[in-house]
Amino acid sequence: GENVEQHPSTLSVQEGDSAVIKCTYSDSASNYFPWYKQELGKRPQLIIDIRSNVGEKKDQRIAVTLNKTAKHFSLHITETQPEDSAVYFCAARSTGGSYIPTFGRGTSLIVHP
Amino acid sequence: ETGVTQSPTHLIKTRGQQVTLRCSSQSGHNTVSWYQQALGQGPQFIFQYYREEENGRGNFPPRFSGLQFPNYSSELNVNALELDDSALYLCASSVGTGELVGTDTQYFGPGTRLTVL
Repeated sequence: GENVEQHPSTLSVQEGDSAVIKCTYSDSASNYFPWYKQELGKRPQLIIDIRSNVGEKKDQRIAVTLNKTAKHFSLHITETQPEDSAVYFCAARSTGGSYIPTFGRGTSLIVHP
Repeated sequence: ETGVTQSPTHLIKTRGQQVTLRCSSQSGHNTVSWYQQALGQGPQFIFQYYREEENGRGNFPPRFSGLQFPNYSSELNVNALELDDSALYLCASSVGTGELVGTDTQYFGPGTRLTVL
C-alpha cells in the first residue's frame, strides 16, 4: 500500500516568513495529492490540492509543487500570518484497487507575531 | 464550514461496550468515508461507503463496521471497544462515480471524540 512521509513534524517561523512542508509517497500510481489544515479541536479543511498531470498550483499565498519522478510534493506558504498556525496534513491517493487515501503524520506550524 | 455533520460530539464508553457514530453527508454527496485520528496523528482510513455499499476498507478489524442509508447518511459501529479505540472519528463526504471509489475532494465533518475507559 501507499506510504506517506511528512517533514518536518514541527515548523516555527516569524510572521511574514515563508514556510515549506514536504511529503514523499511510495506508490507511483498515486495521482491526487490534497493538503489539509486542521486547527486545534476542529475538522481538517482542504486548502489546496494537485493532480499528477500538473507540476504546480497556486492559490494566493499558498502553493503546492509536485515532482512525480522523485515522488514528492510540497506545500509553500508565503507571507505567513499568525492565523496560519495549525497542523497541516498531506495525503496521497493510490489508484491501485480501491481508493484508500493515506495521510502524513502532520506538521505543526507555529507563526510567531 | 462544510455541510457535513456528525453526532454525538463527545462520547465516553468502557472497554467491551459497543458504540454507534453518525454522519450526515453534504447535500449532493453520495460517498462517505470514515477515518480514525489518534492524538497527534494523521487520519487513518477505516472504510468508505458508496451508494449504500462498502467500497474500500483500510487496515481495521471486522469489529469496525458501517452502514450507509438511502439518504447517504452513514453510521460507524465499533464492537468490543478497546482502550486504543480512543480517538477522534471523522467522516468525510464526496461525490463518487463508482469506478474509482469516491472522487478526489472530500469534506470533513467536525468529528466525534470517543474516549474508552
